[in-house]
Amino acid sequence: QKEVEQNSGPLSVPEGAIASLNCTYSDRGSQSFFWYRQYSGKSPELIMSIYSNGDKEDGRFTAQLNKASQYVSLLIRDSQPSDSATYLCAVNGAGSYQLTFGKGTKLSVIP
Amino acid sequence: KAGVTQTPRYLIKTRGQQVTLSCSPISGHRSVSWYQQTPGQGLQFLFEYFSETQRNKGNFPGRFSGRQFSNSRSEMNVSTLELGDSALYLCASSLGAASLQETQYFGPGTRLLVL
Repeated sequence: QKEVEQNSGPLSVPEGAIASLNCTYSDRGSQSFFWYRQYSGKSPELIMSIYSNGDKEDGRFTAQLNKASQYVSLLIRDSQPSDSATYLCAVNGAGSYQLTFGKGTKLSVIP
Repeated sequence: KAGVTQTPRYLIKTRGQQVTLSCSPISGHRSVSWYQQTPGQGLQFLFEYFSETQRNKGNFPGRFSGRQFSNSRSEMNVSTLELGDSALYLCASSLGAASLQETQYFGPGTRLLVL
């Protein structure tokens, strides 16, 4: 059974701080990793995707992947109240048509 | 380019009824995946269709079924509704190439309430 684990939170950070969201996965064959943001009552929205070990930066967001440790993280720099949402980690295996999601980490950015 | 559309957005049904939800993918996308989201279980995969064929199925009872049409639009059906079927049903579309960069984009969802 493929599993994706996230700390459910809530994670509270002050405005302007760095928010660090973590995710671990059980399937060593996983090859594609995604972070989605979901505002309350809305559908998930893609923020970042990462496929190789290391860091990938996009604006205030940095995704980090460590396949040896089966660990993927998302850093949000200069956090804003508008970043307050649930962040979902999703994993896809090689040649798989199915995303496995973690249950999400709720982030609250305090003004 | 228009995003993924889902209809209806809200539904109220009673136990024992059946329901059909519809999803239109992003133009050019041939894969449609369906997910159920509940507060307790999170996002769970139902099934995925590509070129009118179901390629993958999650661990849901046979009451949950789907299909895809030649224009890539997809429908899912839930028969004999149970209270536990109350959830947000999300459709996601992708190109369907199953490549490393294959990315799924979600529609707004259909919120189903079973009374």
